[in-house]
Amino acid sequence: EAGVAQSPRYKIIEKRQSVAFWCNPISGHATLYWYQQILGQGPKLLIQFQNNGVVDDSQLPKDRFSAERLKGVDSTLKIQPAKLEDSAVYLCASSFQGADEQFFGPGTRLTVL
Amino acid sequence: GESVGLHLPTLSVQEGDNSIINCAYSNSASDYFIWYKQESGKGPQFIIDIRSNMDKRQGQRVTVLLNKTVKHLSLQIAATQPGDSAVYFCAENMRRDTGRRALTFGSGTRLQVQP
Repeated sequence: EAGVAQSPRYKIIEKRQSVAFWCNPISGHATLYWYQQILGQGPKLLIQFQNNGVVDDSQLPKDRFSAERLKGVDSTLKIQPAKLEDSAVYLCASSFQGADEQFFGPGTRLTVL
Repeated sequence: GESVGLHLPTLSVQEGDNSIINCAYSNSASDYFIWYKQESGKGPQFIIDIRSNMDKRQGQRVTVLLNKTVKHLSLQIAATQPGDSAVYFCAENMRRDTGRRALTFGSGTRLQVQP
C-alpha cells in the first residue's frame, strides 16, 4: 500500500516569497492533517480536514498560511509571504475517518533565507 | 505551553541493552497517549499507544507504562538495536473544543544506539 506522498521534499526561498506544498494522502483516508515541525521540536498541528471541509484550523497563522483540499483527496498548503521563522519541516498525515492512528508523509523541508 | 514534555533530550545506550524513554504530561484529563518514532528525513511512525484505563501495554520489544498518579509515561525498548536509533516522541491525543481529537507532541528524545 502506498504511503502519504508529499512534494517537493526540499524548498529554499527568500523571505517575503510565496511557497506551496502538496500532499496526496493514503487512498480512502478521509482525514488529512498538516503539521509544522521546527528543528528540535515535535510536530505542531496547523490544520485538519475531514474530506474537503476544515474541522480545525485554530493553530494556522491565517494572515500568511492557507490550505485547501478542494476535491477531498489531495491538499495544498501555501505560505504567502514567507518569514524566516517559517523554516521548518511541513508534514502531512492522513487517517481513516474517526480513526486515531495517523500515517505521516516524509515531509517538505522549507528553508527561508 | 505544551502539556506534554520529556525529561531528557538525548539517550545513549549500548546495543543489546534496554532503553527507557520518559515523558511527563500536565493535564489530568488526558486519556490517550501515543509513542512515535521519527528517523532522519522521515515522518513520525506510530509505535504503540495506551489509553488511561490501562497501566501497561506491550508490543513487539516495546512496552509503554502509564502512571496517572504522577502524570508520567515511559517507553521501554528491549534489546535495543542500531535500527532503533531515532527521535522518539510521546503525543497526547486529546479531544479539542471542536469535539475532535488532535495530537499534541512533546519535544522528543533522541536515542543513540552504540554498537
